[in-house]
Amino acid sequence: GAVVSQHPSWVICKSGTSVKIECRSLDFQATTMFWYRQFPKQSLMLMATSNEGSKATYEQGVEKDKFLINHASLTLSTLTVTSAHPEDSSFYICSARLGGSPGELFFGEGSRLTVL
Amino acid sequence: SQKIEQNSEALNIQEGKTATLTCNYTNYSPAYLQWYRQDPGRGPVFLLLIRENEKEKRKERLKVTFDTTLKQSLFHITASQPADSATYLCALPYSSASKIIFGSGTRLSIRP
Repeated sequence: GAVVSQHPSWVICKSGTSVKIECRSLDFQATTMFWYRQFPKQSLMLMATSNEGSKATYEQGVEKDKFLINHASLTLSTLTVTSAHPEDSSFYICSARLGGSPGELFFGEGSRLTVL
Repeated sequence: SQKIEQNSEALNIQEGKTATLTCNYTNYSPAYLQWYRQDPGRGPVFLLLIRENEKEKRKERLKVTFDTTLKQSLFHITASQPADSATYLCALPYSSASKIIFGSGTRLSIRP
């Protein structure tokens, strides 16, 4: 199946700093990628839809200035958590779909962010 | 608004038995439904997709049903094994149908 790679797998940062997470589709091109957030023992919450060459579409309640998404190429989307605070600590997972709907989503391995 | 419920937060069953997980949804009619498996600290992995015009779908020991009248999907694992222990998530398209939203998941534990 298709492979989505996410980096870093874990990161610890100080409060107030910014952290960038990369999501790459290794063997296919993804015009759309999705960013999810997951708290312990909870399900995935869709944060935003990343669109190649255009602005991301954010879900209600997600601060776009806080969570900057860039999808500069067909194989790379980045999520930057700006001025991170302890409440931003979470598991962030990206995904991409091979082909159009209703295709399956291929997920990255996730990035565990801990803000001290 | 659309809502997905997986009615069991956790399910513990004996190895060899059939595990049955439930996914209920309200306030919309999805064209399809998906099931994923998630292991701790990992991203979800796709298992099965069933369309609204399909009553049942099988893949090896897995079986999924989709009842659009009841707005419910059942996910079965037959001859369960300890390696099947994981969290299982149902997922549905919404809005423009390009987005996928997930249920809360059921944590399945298979004891030897």
